[in-house]
Amino acid sequence: SQELEQSPQSLIVQEGKNLTINCTSSKTLYGLYWYKQKYGEGLIFLMMLQKGGEEKSHEKITAKLDEKKQQSSLHITASQPSHAGIYLCGADRRTDKLIFGTGTRLQVFP
Amino acid sequence: GAGVSQSPSNKVTEKGKDVELRCDPISGHTALYWYRQSLGQGLEFLIYFQGNSAPDKSGLPSDRFSAERTGGSVSTLTIQRTQQEDSAVYLCASSLGITNEKLFFGSGTQLSVL
Repeated sequence: SQELEQSPQSLIVQEGKNLTINCTSSKTLYGLYWYKQKYGEGLIFLMMLQKGGEEKSHEKITAKLDEKKQQSSLHITASQPSHAGIYLCGADRRTDKLIFGTGTRLQVFP
Repeated sequence: GAGVSQSPSNKVTEKGKDVELRCDPISGHTALYWYRQSLGQGLEFLIYFQGNSAPDKSGLPSDRFSAERTGGSVSTLTIQRTQQEDSAVYLCASSLGITNEKLFFGSGTQLSVL
């Protein structure tokens, strides 16, 4: 089984709708990264959350880290076609290497 | 360079052939990662280099896969006797190597094994 599970695997929403993507870890989290990937491109860093129930926002994207649940959620408000892509969470396990989740494919239609 | 550079961007090869994928990290970045991404899937960790330390090879799927990093900069991922299941996008990333430092990714190499 995956150390980092994301849900949903795929999401199709209408432009203007809000949405949430979850990332759950089976092991202790020391930090959580969110990245976005457009088709055929590398990953773009969105934000990093450190231990302590941190919450961060960037434009219309907000992410929270719930250390007790070992879970992070990424929330997009008033989605736009430019938000479409694959969203990946990455876990900091204090073992140097960064492990990524299974990914969530987001499509936003007009 | 300005970012992480990977070459080639696309590689088509025949089953059984060897391939080499190249990664040029950002200058000054001591940490370098290789990941593999199959169609529509998340990232699978392959190998990690940090400075002069022994690389973490725990993610390499078989002994057909190997990687080296010369002079602490450019890295080459080699796949010997390629198989169809090796078809994927191979992504390279680098960072300053400081804890909690974000990774910068290249655009990847799309490998297709026929």
